[in-house]
Amino acid sequence: DTEVTQTPKHLVMGMTNKKSLKCEQHMGHRAMYWYKQKAKKPPELMFVYSYEKLSINESVPSRFSPECPNSSLLNLHLHALQPEDSALYLCASSQPSFNQPQHFGDGTRLSIL
Amino acid sequence: GENVEQHPSTLSVQEGDSAVIKCTYSDSASNYFPWYKQELGKGPQLIIDIRSNVGEKKDQRIAVTLNKTAKHFSLHITETQPEDSAVYFCAASIYTGGFKTIFGAGTRLFVKA
Repeated sequence: DTEVTQTPKHLVMGMTNKKSLKCEQHMGHRAMYWYKQKAKKPPELMFVYSYEKLSINESVPSRFSPECPNSSLLNLHLHALQPEDSALYLCASSQPSFNQPQHFGDGTRLSIL
Repeated sequence: GENVEQHPSTLSVQEGDSAVIKCTYSDSASNYFPWYKQELGKGPQLIIDIRSNVGEKKDQRIAVTLNKTAKHFSLHITETQPEDSAVYFCAASIYTGGFKTIFGAGTRLFVKA
């Protein structure tokens, strides 16, 4: 069982919809991450939160809006997505210091119609 | 920025044989190198990691070696089993205002029974 829980597991949405992806961890980690993974490709970093503050935004389009309401939760708000945004979205967490492994959830598979 | 190259992209071995996956990184500031295994429908799971002050680390059938001078690191799996079949990612971590992990392109390992 993974210690990082992501919901929903699957999401189908139209290009005009607004939806949110959720991620929760109870390992006491204070760094949390969003990654995007296309089929047969490695995870690509989107956002990093450290102590609930956004520390890295990898030039992600504004139609993706991250939020870290507390140390256990991480959300990704989606609006006006494009078909090319269809992918597996992975959340991860770690201790906020160097040389610490990231623990991944099993992802949300997102399909944009 | 950091770049991680991984070879081979596909590896097929007989059960009981060894498998070796090799990676190189570009940024000498990287000093943490995790390896992840990703099974179908799952998120990446850490299998072993190595820090830059160590040249080799072993955990049962899995070992990792690091050559900081050459910027090479490798994963060795001995006595492979069918359940080792998965995609394996090497990665390098660097601090750039936040903790950033760059993944290699992945190796799809097939272990034939």
